[in-house]
Amino acid sequence: NAGVTQTPKFRVLKTGQSMTLLCAQDMNHEYMYWYRQDPGMGLRLIHYSVGEGTTAKGEVPDGYNVSRLKKQNFLLGLESAAPSQTSVYFCASRRDSMNTEAFFGQGTRLTVV
Amino acid sequence: AQSVTQLGSHVSVSEGALVLLRCNYSSSVPPYLFWYVQYPNQGLQLLLKYTTGATLVKGINGFEAEFKKSETSFHLTKPSAHMSDAAEYFCAVSLSGAGSYQLTFGKGTKLSVIP
Repeated sequence: NAGVTQTPKFRVLKTGQSMTLLCAQDMNHEYMYWYRQDPGMGLRLIHYSVGEGTTAKGEVPDGYNVSRLKKQNFLLGLESAAPSQTSVYFCASRRDSMNTEAFFGQGTRLTVV
Repeated sequence: AQSVTQLGSHVSVSEGALVLLRCNYSSSVPPYLFWYVQYPNQGLQLLLKYTTGATLVKGINGFEAEFKKSETSFHLTKPSAHMSDAAEYFCAVSLSGAGSYQLTFGKGTKLSVIP
């Protein structure tokens, strides 16, 4: 059982380039989340999805777009990368209930130069 | 809106000493509360959670936490620290109200264990 898988694990981008981070879960979870983690800031929610075909903005959505075309996948896109987007990105999923825990991927370390 | 405050970004304890990591939450409805641990270069994994029922919750690796509604707190404790407990710990809150789907995290507390 793989759980939550993120690809890639590492990436270096030049300012202005675009990229897509992929998150895949095999637990049939309804809810999926993208967070970014920066030193001293904890985890901040970028976007989330409560089901296939739905997305919503979190705390820090600017500069990012997401799509959930299939229930098991949640894609995070950066259209024009900026150095401020250098961070570690985590994807998480949980069942459709607020009292359940989220399961996390191993993270993607992104550096924008 | 929900929020979580973790007091102390860095806590150091001696091996064998009590571990106490503080978490206070803000919520207008009954919350669900979680503690996660993150080891270096890894994702987060669940230590324990409070949903309903018993206010003292036991988790993995000897950790426990007590939900105190009157103090809006959910502090994490462990009687005796082990070197392997060195990690970063995150408190998180989720609301029970309809239409609320977010899981909000505190800024984390890095635990160091001194031999």
